[in-house]
Amino acid sequence: LAKTTQPVSMDSYEGQEVNITCSHNNIATNDYITWYQQFPSQGPRFIIQGYKTKVTNEVASLFIPADRKSSTLSLPRVSLSDTAVYYCLNAHYGGSQGNLIFGKGTKLSVKP
Amino acid sequence: DADVTQTPRNRITKTGKRIMLECSQTKGHDRMYWYRQDPGLGLRLIYYSFDVKDINKGEISDGYSVSRQAQAKFSLSLESAIPNQTALYFCATSDPLGETQYFGPGTRLLVL
Repeated sequence: LAKTTQPVSMDSYEGQEVNITCSHNNIATNDYITWYQQFPSQGPRFIIQGYKTKVTNEVASLFIPADRKSSTLSLPRVSLSDTAVYYCLNAHYGGSQGNLIFGKGTKLSVKP
Repeated sequence: DADVTQTPRNRITKTGKRIMLECSQTKGHDRMYWYRQDPGLGLRLIYYSFDVKDINKGEISDGYSVSRQAQAKFSLSLESAIPNQTALYFCATSDPLGETQYFGPGTRLLVL
């Protein structure tokens, strides 16, 4: 399973757009890029997943370049409640391996 | 009602005691997982199960055992608890078509 690299922490202010970039140089052909969000003392929560180009949902957008060696999670107009740790993972559908590799993630702090 | 529940939510025990953490899910998923999270770190996989008859060790299985009593129930046991097993424990489920995992609220364990 490919490991990912992302910044340890980021600071932002309410109302700003936040972009968190993740590197995954060894991503496999059948891997998807998935992002989770974790609030303190809660389990991680799936927020978005993509394979290539751009994916958008009600929470975030995910930008993936053609070579798929990196991806960028974009959170539009963040609020204080977006303060959390964000994890970038590579995973493939129907995989025989059980684990998703959660690194340390990016701790996003949103200030008023 | 929550899709993935864990009991107890908090537990204090002493070194050498045997304890069991329980997980139940109502999502109808075959795959279930146990992770632990230490402060400031990502999640590490302890055990995972793809169905009732399939149990697999994860990254850090030493000192732990599991039981898959039914599709909906997956228990984690610490046969003889030690202080470095103090952590936050998460149960998760996923279906076989995707690697999106659904996490429980966590069990905070303190071993004295």
